[in-house]
Amino acid sequence: QSVLTQPPSASGTPGQGVTISCSGSSSNIGSNSVHWYQHLPGTAPKLLIYRDDRRPSGVPDRFSGSKSGTSASLAISGLRSEDEADYYCAAWDDSLSTWLFGGGTKLTVL
Amino acid sequence: EVQLVESGGDLVQPGGSLRLSCAASGFIFSNYWMYWVRQPPGKGLVWVSRIKNDGSGTTYADSAKGRFTISRDNAKNTLYLQMSSLRAEDTAVYYCVRGREGAFDIWGQGTMVTVSS
Repeated sequence: QSVLTQPPSASGTPGQGVTISCSGSSSNIGSNSVHWYQHLPGTAPKLLIYRDDRRPSGVPDRFSGSKSGTSASLAISGLRSEDEADYYCAAWDDSLSTWLFGGGTKLTVL
Repeated sequence: EVQLVESGGDLVQPGGSLRLSCAASGFIFSNYWMYWVRQPPGKGLVWVSRIKNDGSGTTYADSAKGRFTISRDNAKNTLYLQMSSLRAEDTAVYYCVRGREGAFDIWGQGTMVTVSS
């Protein structure tokens, strides 16, 4: 069981929006930046959001991140079939002195 | 093109050793902290180890402490992970990752390590 908690699955239809949550604690999300990764099986994971809400160049503005207290969220608007992937949140944990990943959320575009 | 290419993954018996390599290109390797992250079959991503840009400091996940050693050769633009006393639970795809702005911004394609008799 991961210290960062994500829903195991999420779904939406093309054009819809979906939000994926990531719940942590004061020693990780509450005091450090959250980053989000997109992973299609068999490929290299891709950085989607860094430092809570910043998008790397090349990432569409359909993807956005937010954080409040000890929770963070990844929002995807205008769903497309190519968004079907696993999504992971990550943060440094000050108490454990380790990088933590959420358990991952499998997004299905119906 | 910024690229990380892992190699060295193999089938190894429990208790055995293996060294993974990661060749970096397209960026100034010596400027960046580097990481290893793994993904066991059917499971999520797990951070393994980190090394500072000049090799002066290393950090390990509890699962890797005492058994794995991360190192780098900045002259060869190469990152390494020496793994010993391997266990079945070390079976995973191992990714070489660049750190930037506190995040893991560039990932390799991964190399598969299987620990089995």
